[in-house]
Amino acid sequence: EVRLVESGGGLVQPGRSLRLSCSTSGFTFGDYAMHWVRQAPGKGLEWVSSIGWKSANIGYAASVKGRFTISRDNAKNSLYLDMNSLRVEDTALYYCAKDRAIFGVVIGSYFESWGQGTLLTVSS
Amino acid sequence: QSALTQPRSVSGSPGQSVTISCTGTSSDVGNYNYVSWYQHHPAKAPKLMIYDINRRPSGVPDRFSASKSGNTASLNISGLQTEDEADYYCCSYSGSYTYVFGTGTKVTVL
Repeated sequence: EVRLVESGGGLVQPGRSLRLSCSTSGFTFGDYAMHWVRQAPGKGLEWVSSIGWKSANIGYAASVKGRFTISRDNAKNSLYLDMNSLRVEDTALYYCAKDRAIFGVVIGSYFESWGQGTLLTVSS
Repeated sequence: QSALTQPRSVSGSPGQSVTISCTGTSSDVGNYNYVSWYQHHPAKAPKLMIYDINRRPSGVPDRFSASKSGNTASLNISGLQTEDEADYYCCSYSGSYTYVFGTGTKVTVL
């Protein structure tokens, strides 16, 4: 069974940094592209970032580009999102998602399996 | 990267059909056949319902169908059931390894 567990959320002040993690099991992590999607309170889903299976292809939403960095550690079956210069508008539930296709290169990706999310609150 | 436009809400009685539109631009929906739809019940993880414009993952009922014409994609739910009440989001590839979701549609079963 595919399992994705996000962690690292919490309350942080504007301008500070934080790292989110996504621990996975039940599939060969290194073979799949992975993604971060967020949902602000009362708002819709927003794609944040994606990383290909070889880490060669990476994409960011314009709203986080230059501030967030996605990475993966295939040996630890884990996905990360390093977030700098956090803003109030980054407050959201952050989901980790597994790509549908094996050996995905972040073109034509679909978010097949999702975690339960980790809540980030940016507030002074 | 503006969100794709969806109606805020649609509703129907059990057994009826509803259609949700998803309007993008020639830079996303209109330029790629990488359109998907997600069902999201409150406090649960979103679920992939449709990919590649109109393909259903294993386990998704064939009551769910979808299509695309130009810059607009559509999701149709026929034979509406109470468990279909949820938020639905479209999503499209928008080039350069980026994606964009729709604004979301709340489906209410009357």
